Amino acid sequence: EDQVTQSPEALRLQEGESSSLNCSYTVSGLRGLFWYRQDPGKGPEFLFTLYSAGEEKEKERLKATLTKKESFLHITAPKPEDSATYLCAVQTGANNLFFGTGTRLTVIP
Amino acid sequence: DAGITQSPRHKVTETGTPVTLRCHQTENHRYMYWYRQDPGHGLRLIHYSYGVKDTDKGEVSDGYSVSRSKTEDFLLTLESATSSQTSVYFCAIRRDRGNTEAFFGQGTRLTVV
Repeated sequence: EDQVTQSPEALRLQEGESSSLNCSYTVSGLRGLFWYRQDPGKGPEFLFTLYSAGEEKEKERLKATLTKKESFLHITAPKPEDSATYLCAVQTGANNLFFGTGTRLTVIP
Repeated sequence: DAGITQSPRHKVTETGTPVTLRCHQTENHRYMYWYRQDPGHGLRLIHYSYGVKDTDKGEVSDGYSVSRSKTEDFLLTLESATSSQTSVYFCAIRRDRGNTEAFFGQGTRLTVV
């Protein structure tokens, strides 16, 4: 059975304090791993897609990496506006994105 | 922002009544999806569509039906709403079935009392 587990559930950081969010997965035939950001009361906003182990993508203070078992979302020198819930999803052979439950990030000024 | 509009944005309804949620897109994407989001659960797929009049079930489809008579519109119907269907519902669109990203609407908060 496909599984996606995100950790930690919640993370509080001081502004400028770098950290990483984890997404571990057990799927049969990964076709893509997606990261989304979700603000309260809004729909998920697409951030990155990773397709193969060793791939990395960057956007501003965010960097996503992928291994055969997990993905990390690294946040460098975060700002309060980076506060949100970050969702990880995997695409397998089925026509679906299978989501984790997310990590709620709070960045304190 | 991806051209996705969900309506209504908020709705309160009584148990046993039918409810229809609408998703409208202006991107001409082939694939459309309905998800629900509940605390402690990730986004879970209810139904999806891969073309006009072509739909299929997701992992939590019981109690829901869908219809797609035009490329731009995807309707989700709760035939007889129950309290367990209180949730936030998101529509998503995708250009194709491959490894492309999905874009989400702003959501509909449905409360069944």
